[in-house]
Amino acid sequence: EAGVTQSPTHLIKTRGQQVTLRCSPISGHTSVYWYQQALGLGLQFLLWYDEGEERNRGNFPPRFSGRQFPNYSSELNVNALELEDSALYLCASSQTGRGTGELFFGEGSRLTVL
Amino acid sequence: AQTVTQSQPEMSVQEAETVTLSCTYDTSESDYYLFWYKQPPSRQMILVIRQEAYKQQNATENRFSVNFQKAAKSFSLKISDSQLGDAAMYFCAYRRNNAGNMLTFGGGTRLMVKP
Repeated sequence: EAGVTQSPTHLIKTRGQQVTLRCSPISGHTSVYWYQQALGLGLQFLLWYDEGEERNRGNFPPRFSGRQFPNYSSELNVNALELEDSALYLCASSQTGRGTGELFFGEGSRLTVL
Repeated sequence: AQTVTQSQPEMSVQEAETVTLSCTYDTSESDYYLFWYKQPPSRQMILVIRQEAYKQQNATENRFSVNFQKAAKSFSLKISDSQLGDAAMYFCAYRRNNAGNMLTFGGGTRLMVKP
């Protein structure tokens, strides 16, 4: 069974540009979570989607947005990129919005903003 | 808001020895879950062990066990018989009840295992 897949794995952008990151959850999982992992920092919660709806968002500016498609895959969009957006963006999925808390993570998308 | 604190940025252990990673958290909730996740250099995070707050018994998974002190809001991870493959970043995480599987993570502890 395929795990959580993310694309692209690495990308380089310049300040002011826009980026779209993609995530495919494990088959049967309806919840997708996005986290930002900046160098030397822990994981900061960005967004949670479940059944196509945004359920919660972390303390990030509105230029961070996303969506979840009917097949439960998800996109994270970041507009007007800033240098501090350089980070590893991790996507995770779980079966439903409830449960015992195990998240299944992808390998992440490494974004570098120059 | 809940916070999770890992006070040890780096730890080192000799192969076959035992190491304990510390984690404290702050919450006003009484029902929640706690987790330890491992992030090897390949970056994919995996669940190591979980603890339900309503359970008094400490969780164990093979060489991994926790010391859950609810009153002290402490949740440490003990790794016995450390192996080279245990070298990774370890993250403590908290999930309050009725919040889906949205986790709050600590800053992480880098564990190095010396042969």
